Amino acid sequence: GDSVTQMEGPVTLSEEAFLTINCTYTATGYPSLFWYVQYPGEGLQLLLKATKADDKGSNKGFEATYRKETTSFHLEKGSVQVSDSAVYFCALSDPFLQGAQKLVFGQGTRLTINP
Amino acid sequence: NAGVTQTPKFRILKIGQSMTLQCTQDMNHNYMYWYRQDPGMGLKLIYYSVGAGITDKGEVPNGYNVSRSTTEDFPLRLELAAPSQTSVYFCASSPGEFGANVLTFGAGSRLTVL
Repeated sequence: GDSVTQMEGPVTLSEEAFLTINCTYTATGYPSLFWYVQYPGEGLQLLLKATKADDKGSNKGFEATYRKETTSFHLEKGSVQVSDSAVYFCALSDPFLQGAQKLVFGQGTRLTINP
Repeated sequence: NAGVTQTPKFRILKIGQSMTLQCTQDMNHNYMYWYRQDPGMGLKLIYYSVGAGITDKGEVPNGYNVSRSTTEDFPLRLELAAPSQTSVYFCASSPGEFGANVLTFGAGSRLTVL
């Protein structure tokens, strides 16, 4: 079945460092790809998404490009802030195979930014 | 504009007890979902619904039941609580046919079974 694999955490960086969180996926169809973020004590929020190959999703300085040839959707940010400390989830949705637009999530990567 | 509201936020149960996690949304979304999140793991789908009166099993439905009598409400029932059901539970909703992939999540309900 479809699956999502994220880089192991936790990740700790200093403020203004460059961030990459790797995400690869396995899917039999043509999935949409997502990054969700979970701040402490809150539910998940959509950070960005891409619906087809070569699309780039972006939001709040974060970017991710849908790479079909490498089945990847890595999350990047050029200069992180303390407020970016959260858990980040990569996810996919393949509505034609799974129906009801169900999401398959990676295990999450905890990011801590030190001032 | 409340979005998705879950209650309770925290609950401790004894083995064998029953309880219902409540979820309501005010966005008139057709699709609703229940996920569980175990430590260090991603979210796993328990049940979902594509509209009032329609529910279906997700990846990990055993030990749970749901109902969807209205568009707004999607309660999750635990009949005989077991320690394996200790988890954080998230309810979510999405619009439906268009933009359906974008889920709005509640803040979560942390359940401990002792």
